[in-house]
Amino acid sequence: ETGVTQTPRHLVMGMTNKKSLKCEQHLGHNAMYWYKQSAKKPLELMFVYNFKEQTENNSVPSRFSPECPNSSHLFLHLHTLQPEDSALYLCASSPTLAGAVYNEQFFGPGTRLTVL
Amino acid sequence: AQTVTQSQPEMSVQEAETVTLSCTYDTSESNYYLFWYKQPPSRQMILVIRQEAYKQQNATENRFSVNFQKAAKSFSLKISDSQLGDTAMYFCASLPMTGAQKLVFGQGTRLTINP
Repeated sequence: ETGVTQTPRHLVMGMTNKKSLKCEQHLGHNAMYWYKQSAKKPLELMFVYNFKEQTENNSVPSRFSPECPNSSHLFLHLHTLQPEDSALYLCASSPTLAGAVYNEQFFGPGTRLTVL
Repeated sequence: AQTVTQSQPEMSVQEAETVTLSCTYDTSESNYYLFWYKQPPSRQMILVIRQEAYKQQNATENRFSVNFQKAAKSFSLKISDSQLGDTAMYFCASLPMTGAQKLVFGQGTRLTINP
């Protein structure tokens, strides 16, 4: 596997379920990101991790719980979601955080989540 | 706060034509990056081109070029000799060079290249 992979690609869950989304990057990067892409809204940044430490939480509800055990893996734990949380969830990674030197973000294919 | 606006929800052109996608943005940052991303039906977001705001020269990548007007906060993408494989959603985005690592996206433009 190369690049950024995400599993599962599709997920259907009920509002009382607990599930997790997984992201893995094979690029040797140190920064990882979760984005939410809804049908009617622009892509929204959710969380940023740099060297396993969370550096950004974009006011995300607590029913979304991220976990970054190492620089290669990023999880998004889901519990008691709402139908409006149905969206495409994209993971991305970059060498480190952008600054005066540009660090491109490489995206995974996303997980299409449907909450019933 | 940063905002990015794409005013064209959909566009359609014939193969081999040139097409320009519009983007305007607003930011209080003095140094920032601007990007165009492509998201084909496969959903994988791919970087098409980037521009550093401090550079006056417009970025170019093969058939893709930008018209960066910093004073007007405008950042349009021109695709020359369009190909069927260019069919995708195109997103304009901005990212400050310092501070919060918030890549802010526009709403997207769905571009269809017709044979």
